[in-house]
Amino acid sequence: NAGVTQTPKFQVLKTGQSMTLQCAQDMNHNSMYWYRQDPGMGLRLIYYSASEGTTDKGEVPNGYNVSRLNKREFSLRLESAAPSQTSVYFCASTRSSGGLSQETQYFGPGTRLLVL
Amino acid sequence: GEDVEQSLFLSVREGDSSVINCTYTDSSSTYLYWYKQEPGAGLQLLTYIFSNMDMKQDQRLTVLLNKKDKHLSLRIADTQTGDSAIYFCAEVLPGTYKYIFGTGTRLKVLA
Repeated sequence: NAGVTQTPKFQVLKTGQSMTLQCAQDMNHNSMYWYRQDPGMGLRLIYYSASEGTTDKGEVPNGYNVSRLNKREFSLRLESAAPSQTSVYFCASTRSSGGLSQETQYFGPGTRLLVL
Repeated sequence: GEDVEQSLFLSVREGDSSVINCTYTDSSSTYLYWYKQEPGAGLQLLTYIFSNMDMKQDQRLTVLLNKKDKHLSLRIADTQTGDSAIYFCAEVLPGTYKYIFGTGTRLKVLA
């Protein structure tokens, strides 16, 4: 099993450009998440998808859109990139259960995005 | 509100014990977690504790939970240079799919 994979690993964008960050998991997990990690701020949830066909906003959704293409894939789109979106983006997945049992989040290796 | 707090930095000498502290906000959290992030990598689960436990030991790791004060700690015994990383505590809000992560504590182990 590859676990959670993310592409690309690195990306440089100019302000106003658009791009899509891809995430896929091969563990048959129901829930998938997008976080951004900024120095001194830990991980902040952008969007999550509790199951195929559903998506919900997290703590910092502005400037982003997501798409749960199927059970395996959850993409994050920046329609018009801004320097404030310079960050490291992590995708994660869990089997399910909504916090009612011990659930491990499995993380991808991250995408480092620089917006100039 | 939802907020999980940690100190940002900790420096210890190799062979000493490290104690990383965390304060969480939601007393209804059923599970609390410690994750480790090595440079350039994603987070990996180290250990977790169920809210009805006070302590959990797993080899060199000891987790202490004080529910009254909403305080969680991670003790690493005989800290090694390979333990240098960022450590995150996290809680998950019951009945939701939202994991709340702390700011992370950067542990530096000096040889």
